[in-house]
Amino acid sequence: AQSVTQPDIHITVSEGASLELRCNYSYGATPYLFWYVQSPGQGLQLLLKYFSGDTLVQGIKGFEAEFKRSQSSFNLRKPSVHWSDAAEYFCAVAPSNDYKLSFGAGTTVTVRA
Amino acid sequence: DTGVSQNPRHKITKRGQNVTFRCDPISEHNRLYWYRQTLGQGPEFLTYFQNEAQLEKSRLLSDRFSAERPKGSFSTLEIQRTEQGDSAMYLCASNENSPEGGYTFGSGTRLTVV
Repeated sequence: AQSVTQPDIHITVSEGASLELRCNYSYGATPYLFWYVQSPGQGLQLLLKYFSGDTLVQGIKGFEAEFKRSQSSFNLRKPSVHWSDAAEYFCAVAPSNDYKLSFGAGTTVTVRA
Repeated sequence: DTGVSQNPRHKITKRGQNVTFRCDPISEHNRLYWYRQTLGQGPEFLTYFQNEAQLEKSRLLSDRFSAERPKGSFSTLEIQRTEQGDSAMYLCASNENSPEGGYTFGSGTRLTVV
């Protein structure tokens, strides 16, 4: 069955420290890959996306993600987090033959001073 | 481009009442999607339209749910005889006829059934 897994439900990180959020997917072929961020009570904002080409993609707000085909992973990273990065982060995939987005359960990021 | 607009932002209704939500997508986007998100979960796909045609409905969409997109512009999602389990955030997204441009989400409508 097709699935998107975000293994970490909650991550706490100190301001200025690095952040990595994990995402694994299970699909037959390389799907379209996305990371979204959601602040409380708000909609989803696209951070970055991957379709093909360079496996390291840059996004907004200083985020980047690396696609690793061998591991079926698309992990999100930020070298130095800011208090404003506290939010919920969702990995999402859309199979190349079907444009419906499927989401992981999300990772909540807390930033401590 | 004003993004994807959803109305109302919040709706509180009594169990058994009908509710209707509206989504206005980005004007040049021909695909429109509805998702439902419950607390602590990722959004779950409900249905999507290409122009005015409803191409797929999730099994999550019971007979009490109906969605329309007349003229291929705005869309409405109606829930009849609401139940407490319908309480959730209902999200709308749109894109062009390819995922490569991404999916633009609205701010959602939060439904509370009391």
